[in-house]
Amino acid sequence: NAGVTQTPKFRILKIGQSMTLQCTQDMNHNYMYWYRQDPGMGLKLIYYSVGAGITDKGEVPNGYNVSRSTTEDFPLRLELAAPSQTSVYFCASSYAVLSTDTQYFGPGTRLTVL
Amino acid sequence: GENVEQHPSTLSVQEGDSAVIKCTYSDSASNYFPWYKQELGKRPQLIIDIRSNVGEKKDQRIAVTLNKTAKHFSLHITETQPEDSAVYFCASYNTDKLIFGTGTRLQVFP
Repeated sequence: NAGVTQTPKFRILKIGQSMTLQCTQDMNHNYMYWYRQDPGMGLKLIYYSVGAGITDKGEVPNGYNVSRSTTEDFPLRLELAAPSQTSVYFCASSYAVLSTDTQYFGPGTRLTVL
Repeated sequence: GENVEQHPSTLSVQEGDSAVIKCTYSDSASNYFPWYKQELGKRPQLIIDIRSNVGEKKDQRIAVTLNKTAKHFSLHITETQPEDSAVYFCASYNTDKLIFGTGTRLQVFP
């Protein structure tokens, strides 16, 4: 199992550009999550999904969009990049929150918006 | 919605001493509380968790306690080692998602 994989590892965007952060898991997990982590700060939930075709907003969804067409993939879309979106983005997955598997995190994508 | 507060934000201890990190949560319906360790530049990794029907759980040098009445839970690390140096996050489960605390940077000095 590769676990949770994310691409790219690093990216620099100009203000107003768009991009998609990719997240894939091969553990057949139902739940998937996107977090952002600002320097020296905790994890803020952006969006999450409890299964294919189902997504919901987290604490900080503004400026982002997601889709969940398959169990494995949960891409995060930034439409009009802003400096405030400079952060490290983590994708995570779990079979179910209350299972012993809990959440497994991907390696992260470091995004800088200039 | 749920709110999780974590203290202290930084903690420095001598190798071999104990370290305690505390978290409080606001929603009495929360029933699952994991702790994550994040080393510099790495992803968060689960180190221990506790469910609301348990008051204490131990795994070698790490233990977690939960006080449901007071709505707080704590991480205890005994006999600290330099490799315990990292940022530790508590979290509380609420309606399909985890709400994280702001983290505690633990430094263990040899």
